[in-house]
Amino acid sequence: GESVGLHLPTLSVQEGDNSIINCAYSNSASDYFIWYKQESGKGPQFIIDIRSNMDKRQGQRVTVLLNKTVKHLSLQIAATQPGDSAVYFCAESNQAGTALIFGKGTTLSVSS
Amino acid sequence: DGGITQSPKYLFRKEGQNVTLSCEQNLNHDAMYWYRQDPGQGLRLIYYSQIVNDFQKGDIAEGYSVSREKKESFPLTVTSAQKNPTAFYLCASSGRQGSDEQFFGPGTRLTVL
Repeated sequence: GESVGLHLPTLSVQEGDNSIINCAYSNSASDYFIWYKQESGKGPQFIIDIRSNMDKRQGQRVTVLLNKTVKHLSLQIAATQPGDSAVYFCAESNQAGTALIFGKGTTLSVSS
Repeated sequence: DGGITQSPKYLFRKEGQNVTLSCEQNLNHDAMYWYRQDPGQGLRLIYYSQIVNDFQKGDIAEGYSVSREKKESFPLTVTSAQKNPTAFYLCASSGRQGSDEQFFGPGTRLTVL
């Protein structure tokens, strides 16, 4: 069935380092991918998204890379700050294009 | 929280009782969604609605019901048939179904006593 997963459940970095969070997806027909940040007890917040006709998209301190050949998605955070500590979820559009499928999340811990 | 409100923030219910969670959006979005999140887990889709008076089951619809009588509102009822209802419930909306950013509410934490 459809599934979206992350390679590592936790990631610990030092303040100022660059962080890379990975995600593997299974549906080769997915045309939309998105990253969310969720702080404890709150709803997820949009970080960045990318459509399947692109390989890379940049935002403020964040970059999303899409490798359709190996069905891999990554989120890069530059100069990671303590405020970046949260759970990060990737999601892809389902086969019907009617909903998003979420991965289990990676917990990013930033120490100063 | 992007124009989506959920109430209440915390909800306690006794076993065997039905309970309704509220979700309202003022973003003029057509599509709305309900997710369940368990500790340390991702979001699982319960129900979604692409348009008023229409909704579809998600991956874990058993024990839940919804209605979509107004564009702005998508309430979720957790029925007594739901075997393990204690969880964090998140509502979201999007301008287009599926292939578009979803905006999330702050969530409702339901605890069954």
